[in-house]
This record gives sequence, C-alpha cells and structure tokens, in this order.
Amino acid sequence: QLQLQESGPGLVKPSETLSLTCTVSGGSISSGSYFWGWIRQPPGKGLEYIGSIYYSGDTYYNPSLKSRVTISVDTSKNQFSLKLNSVTAADTAVYYCARRILLGFAQDWFDPWGQGTLVTVSS
Amino acid sequence: DIQMTQSPSSLSASVGDRVTITCRASQSISIYLNWYQQKLGKAPKLLIYAASSLQTGVTSRFSGSGSGTDFTLTISSLQPEDFATYYCQQSYSSPYSFGQGTRLEIK
Repeated sequence: QLQLQESGPGLVKPSETLSLTCTVSGGSISSGSYFWGWIRQPPGKGLEYIGSIYYSGDTYYNPSLKSRVTISVDTSKNQFSLKLNSVTAADTAVYYCARRILLGFAQDWFDPWGQGTLVTVSS
Repeated sequence: DIQMTQSPSSLSASVGDRVTITCRASQSISIYLNWYQQKLGKAPKLLIYAASSLQTGVTSRFSGSGSGTDFTLTISSLQPEDFATYYCQQSYSSPYSFGQGTRLEIK
C-alpha cells in the first residue's frame, strides 16, 4: 500500500525559505502514470494546489505561487521536495504531499495523501 | 483560473438523513470533478472521481453526479462516521482548484 510522509521544519522565519520533503514508500516514484504534488491548507481554511512534478522532472506550478516555488524529485531516494522562498505569515499552513493519478479522460485526482505537516511562519 | 463554489458552506443533519452538497464551476469542466472527505486533523480522502465514479473501498452511500458546471455529492443515509468536511476539486485545467468546503455537522 502506497504511503507518503512529509518531513521538514515546523517553524520558518519570515523572508526565509520553507523546505519540505515527501518520502514515498510501498511503490516507486518513477511509475509512469503518476505525478507527485503538493497542496496546502491554512489553519481553518480550504485547500490550495501548489504544484506537481513527474519523475522525469517536468514541473507544473500554480501561477499564484510560481515565482516562489520549486518542486524537485530524487528518484534514487524515492522522494520529492518543495521549496517556497520569501515566506510570510500567509504561508502558514498544513502542507500535504499527494500522488496525482492521471489515467485518461477525466481520470485525474490526488490519492493517497500524506498526513500533512504544519509549517508556521513566525519570527 | 477556474473557481469552484460549494453550497451550502455548512449543513446540520441527522443520522439516517439523505444529504446533497452542490459544487459549481465558473466554466465548463466536463466531468473533471473529484470529491474528497476530510475529517478533523486528517488528510483529505478521495471519495468520487470523474464526477460519478466511486473510489475503490468507499461505501456506496456516497454518489456523485453532474457535468459541465454543476455537480452534486449525495450521501444516501448519513452514518456517524460521515460527519466531516467535503471538498470538490476540478482537474480540468491547471491550477487545479478546490471548493471552499462544506462542513457537515450532527444535528
């Protein structure tokens, strides 16, 4: 059974870079039909798509965050990572990693998700 | 960008009730619509994909319908474990967007 686990600092200072890693177990990150994505959820609010990556390194970012986001993949470690620079308090959120399944017409969804990790931006 | 709007934002219902949640897209998205359930402090869980296809392992109490801009999630007979927040998500075009959520509470 595929599992994803986020890891990284829970506290980041304003203007610094948020860095998180998602470790995939129970399956290979190099499987062809899957992308690997990041979604975040500010406390008490809804879900926001950040971006996703294919194992080849092709990336897709939300334009609202594109200037600050980098998603990368390390197939040798079965991991993918998120970097968000110049963070502010508005970036405080639970960050989830998830597998994006893309199988064909209308078959495009996120499943499963990691448990999420809270990142607080504060000095 | 495609905006997703859910209604209602919150809903009180009783065990055994039939409940319907609506999701509207700002433009046609065909059937590129997914539904997720999120319980407090947990990650979202996929319920329905492609508007009406039930994810493997999800109870048949859940069903989805719709196409174009208007979609519904129906729970046929509410059980205690169904009280949660529900989100729709469009996968028609990037950036993929979610509705604001519908919080389902016990009456």
